[in-house]
Amino acid sequence: NAGVTQTPKFRILKIGQSMTLQCTQDMNHNYMYWYRQDPGMGLKLIYYSVGAGITDKGEVPNGYNVSRSTTEDFPLRLELAAPSQTSVYFCASRRTQGALEAFFGQGTRLTVV
Amino acid sequence: GESVGLHLPTLSVQEGDNSIINCAYSNSASDYFIWYKQESGKGPQFIIDIRSNMDKRQGQRVTVLLNKTVKHLSLQIAATQPGDSAVYFCAENIRLSGGSYIPTFGRGTSLIVHP
Repeated sequence: NAGVTQTPKFRILKIGQSMTLQCTQDMNHNYMYWYRQDPGMGLKLIYYSVGAGITDKGEVPNGYNVSRSTTEDFPLRLELAAPSQTSVYFCASRRTQGALEAFFGQGTRLTVV
Repeated sequence: GESVGLHLPTLSVQEGDNSIINCAYSNSASDYFIWYKQESGKGPQFIIDIRSNMDKRQGQRVTVLLNKTVKHLSLQIAATQPGDSAVYFCAENIRLSGGSYIPTFGRGTSLIVHP
């Protein structure tokens, strides 16, 4: 199994541009999460989903949008990119919310200039 | 607000020594804790977990201790190896207002193992 796959690995955006960070998992997990990690910091939750068609805001949702049309895919959309969105973004999934182990993708390093 | 935090941002040890990484939590309702390891350029990887009804749990070369009285969690790594160099996060499974449980991370501790 590939696990959680994120694309792209790196991206440089200009202020005001938009992009979609892709995340797909092949483990048939219902629960998926998007986090951002700023340098020297922990992970902050942006959005999460408990199943196809259901999404909800996390701690830092402003400037982002998500969708969950299928169990496998959970894309993160940035509209009007700002320098404050420069970060490393991680997608994660787990089978149930009680399942202890969350599986993470390799991350997308985004720079907004 | 309630949060998960780590005492030491950086820990340097010699190869072969035992390492202890500490974590303080303030959410007394937390019933589940997880330790993750994040190597440079990679996503966090699950190491070990412990439920609040346990004091200790052992894995391969790792032991997690939970002291609910002082809300303290620690990760012990035996015979630390250079491959253990990474950032270690403790995380709580926090229940949000909507009823969902979310892995919520502290800042992390960077473990540096010197040969």
